[in-house]
Amino acid sequence: EVQLVESGGGLVQPGGSLRLSCVASGFSFRSYWMSWVRQAPGKGLEWVANIKENGNEMNYVESVQGRFTVSRDNTKKYLYLQMNSLRVEDTAVYYCGRGMWAGAVWGQGTTVTVSS
Amino acid sequence: DIQMTQSPSPLSASVRDRVTISCRASQNIDNRLSWFQHKPGRAPRLLIFAASTLQSGVPSRFSGSGSGTDFTLTISSLQPEDFATYYCQQTYIVPYTFGQGTMVDTK
Repeated sequence: EVQLVESGGGLVQPGGSLRLSCVASGFSFRSYWMSWVRQAPGKGLEWVANIKENGNEMNYVESVQGRFTVSRDNTKKYLYLQMNSLRVEDTAVYYCGRGMWAGAVWGQGTTVTVSS
Repeated sequence: DIQMTQSPSPLSASVRDRVTISCRASQNIDNRLSWFQHKPGRAPRLLIFAASTLQSGVPSRFSGSGSGTDFTLTISSLQPEDFATYYCQQTYIVPYTFGQGTMVDTK
């Protein structure tokens, strides 16, 4: 079964850091771009970042550029999102998705709350 | 960044209604447009990609059309399980922006 499972969410203070993980199963992880998408409370979906199959190219939405870093471990089939200098407005459910723009396969999401 | 604008929002409809949701891009995106269905507490579900290609496993009552800047998602006969929020997403250039969403609720 093709599956993505996120973890690592939680409560963090403004200015803090958090690393999200997404483990893939049921498909050739190393053959796909991977993405992160988020949904803030009461808001719509927002594409956040993606990373190329070999990890040599990453793209970010401007609001997280310089604070978030997407990476991957193709041997372990893991996708990561390192989030630094977190802001209240980063509070959201974070989803990982298979593909440049997320596509047809998504995880169930992990919740990040940034609050003092 | 490319801005995606959906209408209407929200949309009230009844079972068996024909429902049409529009999505407009702020610049030409060819046919690089996807549609998603999203229900609370669940992962978004891809319905349509490349503007009009039905994703495998999606019922044929869903269809998409358009190119350039104007796109449409149509549900030919709304079913109870179709009450949800629908998003368009441009897949032309990063950042791959979404529309603000159209909530389809009961009339």
